[in-house]
Amino acid sequence: GQQVMQIPQYQHVQEGEDFTTYCNSSTTLSNIQWYKQRPGGHPVFLIQLVKSGEVKKQKRLTFQFGEAKKNSSLHITATQTTDVGTYFCAADGNKLVFGAGTILRVKS
Amino acid sequence: DAGVIQSPRHEVTEMGQEVTLRCKPISGHNSLFWYRQTMMRGLELLIYFNNNVPIDDSGMPEDRFSAKMPNASFSTLKIQPSEPRDSAVYFCASSPPDRGRLEQYFGPGTRLTVT
Repeated sequence: GQQVMQIPQYQHVQEGEDFTTYCNSSTTLSNIQWYKQRPGGHPVFLIQLVKSGEVKKQKRLTFQFGEAKKNSSLHITATQTTDVGTYFCAADGNKLVFGAGTILRVKS
Repeated sequence: DAGVIQSPRHEVTEMGQEVTLRCKPISGHNSLFWYRQTMMRGLELLIYFNNNVPIDDSGMPEDRFSAKMPNASFSTLKIQPSEPRDSAVYFCASSPPDRGRLEQYFGPGTRLTVT
């Protein structure tokens, strides 16, 4: 069945440093979505990627979809304390499967 | 604008009792999703409705779980009988027309504790 691996599980960075989380699927995807969940909160939709090789930016966040449509990344430039939370990918292939998430902590 | 509304926000019940979770999607959205989140299993899609019709219920763990969507503005997730391993946060989400499984807006969740 469709499997999704998200790495790293956890990252603790100094404010101002960059952060990247990676999502890898065992199957080719129709699209991939990214969500952010603050501690004690609910997932909040960030973006979806549909096209092979697609790159989208939202301010300091850059999202990429691999050429083979099996992997994706989220990169945050110059992290801020407001970036803390868990970042999930949601891989849409045969099923919609969420990655385990990457917990981001930012030291000020 | 009102987001997805879920009730109750917290539920504590004893093993064997029936539990009903409720969800009101965002007005105008025509897809609705129920998720369960635990530390061990992460965020799992339980069931997905489109235009009030269940499209994919393969994530429903077992027959003790059932979900209904009698109209476009209301859905329930029922667990009968409940067990301690059902303890989790249950989220409802909805998405706009023609977005399907894309662009989901999550409610605040119901934290269920079964003792």
